[in-house]
Amino acid sequence: NAGVTQTPKFRILKIGQSMTLQCAQDMNHNYMYWYRQDPGMGLKLIYYSVGAGITDKGEVPNGYNVSRSTTEDFPLRLELAAPSQTSVYFCASSTVGYNEQFFGPGTRLTVL
Amino acid sequence: KQEVTQIPAALSVPEGENLVLNCSFTDSAIYNLQWFRQDPGKGLTSLLLIQSSQREQTSGRLNASLDKSSGRSTLYIAASQPGDSATYLCAVLGGGTSYGKLTFGQGTILTVHP
Repeated sequence: NAGVTQTPKFRILKIGQSMTLQCAQDMNHNYMYWYRQDPGMGLKLIYYSVGAGITDKGEVPNGYNVSRSTTEDFPLRLELAAPSQTSVYFCASSTVGYNEQFFGPGTRLTVL
Repeated sequence: KQEVTQIPAALSVPEGENLVLNCSFTDSAIYNLQWFRQDPGKGLTSLLLIQSSQREQTSGRLNASLDKSSGRSTLYIAASQPGDSATYLCAVLGGGTSYGKLTFGQGTILTVHP
């Protein structure tokens, strides 16, 4: 099992550009999550999904979009990147909402 | 809304000391509490997970306790080593209106010097 994988590892964007952060899991987990971590802070929930076709907003969803067409994949889309979106992005998954979440290695994004 | 606070924000100790990191949370309706370690520029490593029905968990030199009614958890590190230097994050998995949502503290930066 690869667990939770994320691509790319690093990315630099210019203001106004768009990109998609990829997240995949091979554990057949129903729940998937996107978090961001700003310097010196804990993680904050951006979006989550309880199954294919179902997504919902977390604490900091503005500027992002998600989709969940399969159980395995949960991409995060940034439209019109802004410097405030410079952060480290973590994807996670769990079997159900009350179980342990497993984290990917993160994507470090810089918007200049 | 669940809020998680970690004290102290930073801690510097000499090698060999026993130390305690503190975590408090405002809503006791939780499923579990988890302690993570994060090295600079790296991802999260899960250290210990305590279910809401448990009082403590141990792994090697680490012991985590949970007092759900008072909204507190502690991470005890015995005989600290320079390799323990990292940021330690506490996170609670919510129930009720926060079902399935993991809320993190800001972390404690630990430095163990030789």
